Amino acid sequence: QVQLVESGGGLVKPGGSLRLSCAASGITFSDYYMSWVRQAPGRGLQWVSHISSSGTTIYYADSVKGRFTISRDNAKNSLYLQMNSLRAEDTAVYYCARVGLTTYYYDSSPAPYYYYYMDVWGKGTTVTVSS
Amino acid sequence: DIQMTQSPSSLSASVGDRVTITCRASQSISNNLNWYQQKSGKAPKLLIYAASSLQSGVPSRFSGSGSGTDFTLTISSLQPEDFGTFYCQQSYSSPWTFGQGTKVEIK
Repeated sequence: QVQLVESGGGLVKPGGSLRLSCAASGITFSDYYMSWVRQAPGRGLQWVSHISSSGTTIYYADSVKGRFTISRDNAKNSLYLQMNSLRAEDTAVYYCARVGLTTYYYDSSPAPYYYYYMDVWGKGTTVTVSS
Repeated sequence: DIQMTQSPSSLSASVGDRVTITCRASQSISNNLNWYQQKSGKAPKLLIYAASSLQSGVPSRFSGSGSGTDFTLTISSLQPEDFGTFYCQQSYSSPWTFGQGTKVEIK
């Protein structure tokens, strides 16, 4: 059974740091890109970051670039999000999500086409930034 | 960044109704468009990927269409368990972005 379990959330003061973890089970973790998505109270979903299966390709939302660092340990089946210089606007539920990939081959193109989507989600961990 | 705009922001419909939600991208995203359903206090659930492919285990009353900038999620016959907020999301280019959500209520 595929499962993602986030941990590490809590209350932190502005300017503080927090490290979130996501433990994966039931999947070959090293085969998948992984993402973090957050949701502020009463707001919509916001993609935060994703990391390739090997950890060599990483992207961030502009709002967290330079403050957050995504990483993974494939030997431990774990994903991390190091959050520094936290602000009140970082208050949110943070979800870990597996990035699924489907490859299509079209007659019109010799190269395959890749589709990415977030197909397995954890239950989330809450981060509150407040003095 | 690619902006995703959904309409309507909310709707109320009866069981058995056909429901349509639209999503527009600020530039062409081919068919790199996914749809999610989220119920209050729960994690999102993938419904549709690549604009029209039904995720395994999702009822066939859900369907997606579109390409380029305009996309649609359709529920052919609304069921009581279909309440929640629906989000579109583009994975054409980073940063990935979501629409603002469409809240569906059952009359």
